[in-house]
Amino acid sequence: GEDVEQSLFLSVREGDSSVINCTYTDSSSTYLYWYKQEPGAGLQLLTYIFSNMDMKQDQRLTVLLNKKDKHLSLRIADTQTGDSAIYFCAESTPNNAGNMLTFGGGTRLMVKP
Amino acid sequence: DSGVTQTPKHLITATGQRVTLRCSPRSGDLSVYWYQQSLDQGLQFLIQYYNGEERAKGNILERFSAQQFPDLHSELNLSSLELGDSALYFCASSVGGSGQPQHFGDGTRLSIL
Repeated sequence: GEDVEQSLFLSVREGDSSVINCTYTDSSSTYLYWYKQEPGAGLQLLTYIFSNMDMKQDQRLTVLLNKKDKHLSLRIADTQTGDSAIYFCAESTPNNAGNMLTFGGGTRLMVKP
Repeated sequence: DSGVTQTPKHLITATGQRVTLRCSPRSGDLSVYWYQQSLDQGLQFLIQYYNGEERAKGNILERFSAQQFPDLHSELNLSSLELGDSALYFCASSVGGSGQPQHFGDGTRLSIL
């Protein structure tokens, strides 16, 4: 079955760049997503990338996809204390009407002032 | 605000009881997904509906059932509750169709005493 792996924890200083990594096993994945979860809150969609793309940039966020190695990363430039949260990588398994998501275990990002 | 509404926000009940969780998708979205988030299992896909019909099933227990109504809102029914069912239950919605991103509600926190 599908498996998505993330490191548990990342600590950075405010103003630095953060890089959160993710690996997945399902070669039929069509889309890969990054979600952010703040304490006591739901999942906020940050960005997503189609599997035929290598890179996607959206303001401070850059997603890199290495399909050969099944490796996905999320870079947050100029990390702020408000970026402290848990970040989830997810991959989609397509069906006729949508995509059920398989999530990684989440990476807790701590931003120190 | 994702546009996905879940009620109630919190639910406290006892073992053996039955509860119903409700979800209203974003306007225009035809697909509704249910996920369970627990400390030991992480985020797990439960079930998906598209325009009133079941489309995909994940790790959903037989004690759990769901449906999507003609107005597209969905309900997740959990019965014969056990202590291990304590978790955060998320609903997500998407327009439907491969690659459409899922937008999540704030979740219902279920506590079984």
